[in-house]
Amino acid sequence: DAMVIQNPRYQVTQFGKPVTLSCSQTLNHNVMYWYQQKSSQAPKLLFHYYDKDFNNEADTPDNFQSRRPNTSFCFLDIRSPGLGDAAMYLCATSSSRGSSTEAFFGQGTRLTVV
Amino acid sequence: KNQVEQSPQSLIILEGKNCTLQCNYTVSPFSNLRWYKQDTGRGPVSLTIMTFSENTKSNGRYTATLDADTKQSSLHITASQLSDSASYICVVRGSTLGRLYFGRGTQLTVWP
Repeated sequence: DAMVIQNPRYQVTQFGKPVTLSCSQTLNHNVMYWYQQKSSQAPKLLFHYYDKDFNNEADTPDNFQSRRPNTSFCFLDIRSPGLGDAAMYLCATSSSRGSSTEAFFGQGTRLTVV
Repeated sequence: KNQVEQSPQSLIILEGKNCTLQCNYTVSPFSNLRWYKQDTGRGPVSLTIMTFSENTKSNGRYTATLDADTKQSSLHITASQLSDSASYICVVRGSTLGRLYFGRGTQLTVWP
């Protein structure tokens, strides 16, 4: 059974039209991450939640926002998508309790901006 | 600056051959290191995870090594198969807030 679920798998949005990507997990992990991955590049961390604490990366554009209403769900909001925001968006979870805990990834949401 | 460097950037091998991928990191403090396989259009899937005290760990045809003193890791794939064609990403977890640091990945292509 999938443990980190991202919806939708594919999202097409218009230039400037707000879009929300969702991530849910059944692992009860306290840390959740959002990554942006462009073609042939490593995933780039946008922000992460450590429990309820939101940690924004310094170079994450203000256009990207996130919400975590509870442990299981996390949302990525792109307020005004530009063509440069087209990418794969990956959600991941991990637990900060224990040094060998694995990070689990969702299948990703492929965002296309037209 | 915490970084993870992988080499080679891309690699083509024939089916049945072995190969070794490299990962060097400067992340400190260090918690663990993982190798992930990422198929095109998919999320990364974990192959191995190694902590500070582990030197070698195997998972089927995949064998990972870790030298925590030199901050180097390798992933050895034996008897490659066409399905091994993917991007292999080295991910280091720092001890501070459990932050993950990604390498750029090695794109492996296995030809018949």
